[in-house]
Amino acid sequence: DVKVTQSSRYLVKRTGEKVFLECVQDMDHENMFWYRQDPGLGLRLIYFSYDVKMKEKGDIPEGYSVSREKKERFSLILESASTNQTSMYLCASSSGTGPSSDGYTFGSGTRLTVV
Amino acid sequence: AQSVTQPDIHITVSEGASLELRCNYSYGATPYLFWYVQSPGQGLQLLLKYFSGDTLVQGIKGFEAEFKRSQSSFNLRKPSVHWSDAAEYFCAVVSNTDKLIFGTGTRLQVFP
Repeated sequence: DVKVTQSSRYLVKRTGEKVFLECVQDMDHENMFWYRQDPGLGLRLIYFSYDVKMKEKGDIPEGYSVSREKKERFSLILESASTNQTSMYLCASSSGTGPSSDGYTFGSGTRLTVV
Repeated sequence: AQSVTQPDIHITVSEGASLELRCNYSYGATPYLFWYVQSPGQGLQLLLKYFSGDTLVQGIKGFEAEFKRSQSSFNLRKPSVHWSDAAEYFCAVVSNTDKLIFGTGTRLQVFP
């Protein structure tokens, strides 16, 4: 069964900490995405990557960075966590030039609480 | 800019009743449309998709959706809801930059 795996289901971090959220896919997909999900706001795109070493800002990149050193791994980094970054974070991947063919495959999410 | 509107934040139905979840999109050309479902504490699972052709598409778990260009809608339907269908449902459209744009979601509650 093909998968997008997010390393942590739940995380609690302190304000000011540097936080790493890891995502790995085993489908050989070129494209990977990070979203955050908040009640009433739906899913908002933070960063995405269409290739190794490549990254693009999404709609809400402030306070975040990403790393994609290998095709299968896409990491989201909170340089200095703040309480307004408490959220559910979802990683997704897709093949080819975008989601046109099969949509995205999502991981199970990481619920991050910043205290 | 492309957008998706799900006008119903929360819907409650009785088990066995029919269901329709509304989705309206804004897109200039022929849209690529998706419905996803998210069970509590889980990621999103693809229910069905529309690219072209037959405007009535069938998906998993007994769901279907109908694309109506004249109404800019892509409503999700199920003839008889099961308690396990309780979840949050998201409609999405592919943008002109080839990324998915999601609606804000509709939470479905099912009463026995």
